[in-house]
Amino acid sequence: AQSVTQLDSQVPVFEEAPVELRCNYSSSVSVYLFWYVQYPNQGLQLLLKYLSGSTLVKGINGFEAEFNKSQTSFHLRKPSVHISDTAEYFCAVSGSGTSGTYKYIFGTGTRLKVLA
Amino acid sequence: ETGVTQTPRHLVMGMTNKKSLKCEQHLGHNAMYWYKQSAKKPLELMFVYSLEERVENNSVPSRFSPECPNSSHLFLHLHTLQPEDSALYLCASSQDPRQGAADTQYFGPGTRLTVL
Repeated sequence: AQSVTQLDSQVPVFEEAPVELRCNYSSSVSVYLFWYVQYPNQGLQLLLKYLSGSTLVKGINGFEAEFNKSQTSFHLRKPSVHISDTAEYFCAVSGSGTSGTYKYIFGTGTRLKVLA
Repeated sequence: ETGVTQTPRHLVMGMTNKKSLKCEQHLGHNAMYWYKQSAKKPLELMFVYSLEERVENNSVPSRFSPECPNSSHLFLHLHTLQPEDSALYLCASSQDPRQGAADTQYFGPGTRLTVL
């Protein structure tokens, strides 16, 4: 079975500082990894995803994540955050469900608060 | 309208009421999902429909009853709910989960449900 752990429930950071949001997963099979962002009063929106190939994945809004198979991690980074990046960030892993379909397993989320 | 829409955005109901949540996707996707988002807990996948056929049901209580009349519409019928069912209910769609685990999900803004 797959699982996702986001150890940090909240991360405060000053504007223009770098940030890293941590995500670790466990799985006995190959997985696909995703980061989603949820702004206040909105649904989740895809930031980036790792399917295969290069372990460094670039997404929207200047975010990137690195897949590390040996450490089973997929940490999200941004070199310089803006106030508008304040939101909740969810890591997810997808794998086989029943009936040959695939389903997502989401982490509990990390609330990023960017301070002026 | 574009993307995934959900109505109503907010709903307050008593434990003896019957109500329905509606989701509509304008993306031409073939799969739709219901998730429950509670504070401090990971998103919980409730139901998956692919090509209007239910393909996943994660042991959800029978007081939640989904309906998918066509590939663009998804309903969640609610009856005799409990206060612990209060949460944000998110609808999502994707191209088709049978295509593979790399399917990106597109989320609606959610319905905030309060059960008194």
